[in-house]
Amino acid sequence: GENVEQHPSTLSVQEGDSAVIKCTYSDSASNYFPWYKQELGKRPQLIIDIRSNVGEKKDQRIAVTLNKTAKHFSLHITETQPEDSAVYFCAASPDDKIIFGKGTRLHILP
Amino acid sequence: GAGVSQSPSNKVTEKGKDVELRCDPISGHTALYWYRQRLGQGLEFLIYFQGNSAPDKSGLPSDRFSAERTGESVSTLTIQRTQQEDSAVYLCAKAAGGSTDTQYFGPGTRLTVL
Repeated sequence: GENVEQHPSTLSVQEGDSAVIKCTYSDSASNYFPWYKQELGKRPQLIIDIRSNVGEKKDQRIAVTLNKTAKHFSLHITETQPEDSAVYFCAASPDDKIIFGKGTRLHILP
Repeated sequence: GAGVSQSPSNKVTEKGKDVELRCDPISGHTALYWYRQRLGQGLEFLIYFQGNSAPDKSGLPSDRFSAERTGESVSTLTIQRTQQEDSAVYLCAKAAGGSTDTQYFGPGTRLTVL
């Protein structure tokens, strides 16, 4: 079955700097890669997603890249702000279920 | 959460007791997913429903876990003979079609097994 690895598990960046979170997946049949943000004590919410026919997607300060050959995808957050502090989960979907990574706890330092 | 409710919000039970967790997608989406999230951990897939059919039960940790759904409505996750390792937040999510549609999560049920 699909296996999703996510790194780093914890990331601290200075406010205003960029943050990058990386994920790898194992099943070449995966064709959908969403990213979810979970603030403390709240439910996960989709922030951006990418499909396998696209290499990059951007939405304001957030961008995702996908390398199907290498089976890895990344989340980039630019000009980080305090409200970006949260746990971020990547995921891959090879069929009708979604397999999540273990999450990255992002701390934005003042 | 775009209309997903879960009950109870918190459940404390004694080891060995059965518990039933409920998820109501409210606006009736086709796909419904259950996940388990242990403290400080990621989202562990348990089971999903397309309508009232569960094509993939491979994520259920043991035969103590079962789930059912009535049509495109409420789903219940039942854990029999609870163990301390079952303590976690149980989240359900709905999606319009399937896994490639946005998942809208409920607030979760925090289960504590003493």
